[in-house]
Amino acid sequence: GAVVSQHPSWVICKSGTSVKIECRSLDFQATTMFWYRQFPKQSLMLMATSNEGSKATYEQGVEKDKFLINHASLTLSTLTVTSAHPEDSSFYICSARGFGQGSYNEQFFGPGTRLTVL
Amino acid sequence: QKEVEQDPGPLSVPEGAIVSLNCTYSNSAFQYFMWYRQYSRKGPELLMYTYSSGNKEDGRFTAQVDKSSKYISLFIRDSQPSDSATYLCAMTGAGGSYIPTFGRGTSLIVHP
Repeated sequence: GAVVSQHPSWVICKSGTSVKIECRSLDFQATTMFWYRQFPKQSLMLMATSNEGSKATYEQGVEKDKFLINHASLTLSTLTVTSAHPEDSSFYICSARGFGQGSYNEQFFGPGTRLTVL
Repeated sequence: QKEVEQDPGPLSVPEGAIVSLNCTYSNSAFQYFMWYRQYSRKGPELLMYTYSSGNKEDGRFTAQVDKSSKYISLFIRDSQPSDSATYLCAMTGAGGSYIPTFGRGTSLIVHP
């Protein structure tokens, strides 16, 4: 149980275009979803936290107008990278937390999406 | 100083060796301590968690927490090539949103 999927797993786009990444909790209702960014050999960097039906809370230094997060339902959150540039190339990972799932409000991670901006 | 320090490695060991992975931290408010395993190009998966100080064992894995030294460890016995991955430590406080602070991960290579 507690499976989180992401789509797409890998995307290449041209500079200036927008890219949408989906994160779905497949077998539980995710009251909270998190979006992380990970550079090679670096730790997970939390970008934002989103609760279903409310605006996302962004971490300091993360541009909310560039990284649009929508958590419209208890099983789906989307991250849209607007006007992507090469420096946005990274591994984006979502995680989900559901009430009563796992221990101490454990987060369940998706498999990640590798974004390459040319 | 980062809140959580973890040597990125890589750590290369022969199959069957005992592996010791470690993290230090500076925030004394941390109460929950986790270890995640992340294979290349995959999301992290939770391996073990402990609350406060002490040891916890699960099969070949043992997690230790020493809050007095602000030091946590993960031991892997009889290491296998399939254990080759990046291991991230993470920790949270006792209250609030339970959003973990992650270490940068240690790359482990177990060669046959």
